[in-house]
Amino acid sequence: QKEVEQDPGPLSVPEGAIVSLNCTYSNSAFQYFMWYRQYSRKGPELLMYTYSSGNKEDGRFTAQVDKSSKYISLFIRDSQPSDSATYLCAMSHNAGKSTFGDGTTLTVKP
Amino acid sequence: GAGVSQTPSNKVTEKGKYVELRCDPISGHTALYWYRQSLGQGPEFLIYFQGTGAADDSGLPNDRFFAVRPEGSVSTLKIQRTERGDSAVYLCASSLNAQGSGELFFGEGSRLTVL
Repeated sequence: QKEVEQDPGPLSVPEGAIVSLNCTYSNSAFQYFMWYRQYSRKGPELLMYTYSSGNKEDGRFTAQVDKSSKYISLFIRDSQPSDSATYLCAMSHNAGKSTFGDGTTLTVKP
Repeated sequence: GAGVSQTPSNKVTEKGKYVELRCDPISGHTALYWYRQSLGQGPEFLIYFQGTGAADDSGLPNDRFFAVRPEGSVSTLKIQRTERGDSAVYLCASSLNAQGSGELFFGEGSRLTVL
C-alpha cells in the first residue's frame, strides 16, 4: 500500500462548479501538506502549502488538513476551464523529500 | 534564471547507453531535488542536495543512478547502462532551503526514452 493515496479520477465538472479533491495518507509523521497543479507535459506548480492541521484559503482555493483522520482536501470554487489539469497532493515530515500522490485529473467543461 | 531549467527536454537513447541530465536551479536556492515521474503516476523521490552534498539519496533505485552538484548550483543526474524501465520524465526542483517546508519549484522535466 502506498503512503499517500489519491483518487485518480478522471473528474469532469461544468464551469462554475465546486470541486473537491482528496488524499489519504498512512504516515502520521507528515507535518507539511501541499497541493500541486500539473498541466500536460509541464512540471508541477505549487498551489497551496499547509503546516499541520487546519484550513488555508487563497482566492478560489481552500486546503484542509485533518491529521486525526489522515485526510487532506483541496476545494476549488467557481471552477474555470483553465483549472483543467492534474492535481497532486504531496506531504513531508521535515527537511527534504516530499511524498506525492498519483494525481487526480480534472476537466472543467465550459 | 527566473525558474528551474532542465536540459535536454527530450532524450532518446538505446538500451545500455549512458545518459546525463542537467538541472540549473533558481538562483539562491540551496536545496535541489531529483524526482522521476512515470505516466499516470506522481513524482517519485530520487535524491536531494543541500548545498554540494547529497543529504538523502534513498530514492535512487540502484547503483546505475548517480547525481552530483559539485559547486552547489547546477546538478547532473547520471544514468549508466540504461534500461527500458528507466524511461520516464525526470523532474528537478529547487527550494530556498530544505528545512521544514515542501515548497518545491519544479522545472519542466527531461523526458527520457530508452529504446
